[in-house]
Amino acid sequence: DTAVSQTPKYLVTQMGNDKSIKCEQNLGHDTMYWYKQDSKKFLKIMFSYNNKELIINETVPNRFSPKSPDKAHLNLHINSLELGDSAVYFCASSLPGTSVVGGGELFFGEGSRLTVL
Amino acid sequence: GQQVMQIPQYQHVQEGEDFTTYCNSSTTLSNIQWYKQRPGGHPVFLIQLVKSGEVKKQKRLTFQFGEAKKNSSLHITATQTTDVGTYFCAPLTLANQFYFGTGTSLTVIP
Repeated sequence: DTAVSQTPKYLVTQMGNDKSIKCEQNLGHDTMYWYKQDSKKFLKIMFSYNNKELIINETVPNRFSPKSPDKAHLNLHINSLELGDSAVYFCASSLPGTSVVGGGELFFGEGSRLTVL
Repeated sequence: GQQVMQIPQYQHVQEGEDFTTYCNSSTTLSNIQWYKQRPGGHPVFLIQLVKSGEVKKQKRLTFQFGEAKKNSSLHITATQTTDVGTYFCAPLTLANQFYFGTGTSLTVIP
């Protein structure tokens, strides 16, 4: 069984369209994330949810809206797609980590490659 | 958003040579994780360092956390073609969130 699964794996669409990427984890983790990886391989955190509650919302255009129906799912909806949205989007999950004892390693999905034409 | 610099950005080595990537922060870090991403793949957790000056080894990989907890390094001895990929450090912030370093892309020439 795949621990963190994302769908679709590839997405090609026109500018201006709306699209969604789904993520599910079966690890029982409380925290889920969305990361964006651009063509230069930079991995940037977009959102973090803990038990369905938004914890982090980095400087991301409000065209991006995460939705967490339950703690095992975190979906990403993108409105009015732009060329600059082309990237690989990774979902991840983790147990809570602490600064003292560590923990909280991230488990990533295989990524969803979005191409906006 | 927060970003941690890694150097070098790219490294090409002959198979059998050693490789080191450095992760530098201007602020003190709580702890730091390291990840490896193979070409076309997703980041995979390698290790976590928590204590000042900590050194951990995994076969040919040696991870180190600086005494001041502001930097970290990953050293690979005698690289193999299976070591190809991008290596990321990921420090833990005070908000208990991991931000990724800029990454070092390693190419191993057979």
